[in-house]
Amino acid sequence: GESVGLHLPTLSVQEGDNSIINCAYSNSASDYFIWYKQESGKGPQFIIDIRSNMDKRQGQRVTVLLNKTVKHLSLQIAATQPGDSAVYFCAENNTGRRALTFGSGTRLQVQP
Amino acid sequence: SAVISQKPSRDICQRGTSLTIQCQVDSQVTMMFWYRQQPGQSLTLIATANQGSEATYESGFVIDKFPISRPNLTFSTLTVSNMSPEDSSIYLCSVRSDTQYFGPGTRLTVL
Repeated sequence: GESVGLHLPTLSVQEGDNSIINCAYSNSASDYFIWYKQESGKGPQFIIDIRSNMDKRQGQRVTVLLNKTVKHLSLQIAATQPGDSAVYFCAENNTGRRALTFGSGTRLQVQP
Repeated sequence: SAVISQKPSRDICQRGTSLTIQCQVDSQVTMMFWYRQQPGQSLTLIATANQGSEATYESGFVIDKFPISRPNLTFSTLTVSNMSPEDSSIYLCSVRSDTQYFGPGTRLTVL
């Protein structure tokens, strides 16, 4: 298999439970945030994004929460499924810099 | 959304040789980027590929090592020159449209 995620922190959950993956960012000028899912052997896949004028955004089974006061971002996955097993990255951007800066990533393992 | 393809998907190369990676997007995009993902690591930006002008490189990356072409708004190449085992990584093409999308990556192993 691919080596992505070998040295990353791991979150292990039971199938059907809710998962919460956290991310801290350092740049107070960041105004756009994205969560990506990366499965073994694949490129990062867009999950959900949020802009700094919001503190919560919901998608299908996923919710992103943004706390600008403490520069913290979280991804909540409801009713976690085995297919959710992957490495999850947060990424941040600000209008002065068009490219994303990535966090270190978290590996989610879903136990059946 | 944007659909991105990369060639080759993987390669094993000898030290001292060069490899050119191609990135094709299914729509015209202004912003195109190249990232590197070393084993077990997160993504690091190499450069922004600018159409019609020289690429903009991040600190630690130079044009002689990673020359980039961007002949039009749907295509770019990244060359990894004079490779060493430390260049073994996944190289990812990325574009910005409504949000930022990534290609499937090119898995490079240098022996």
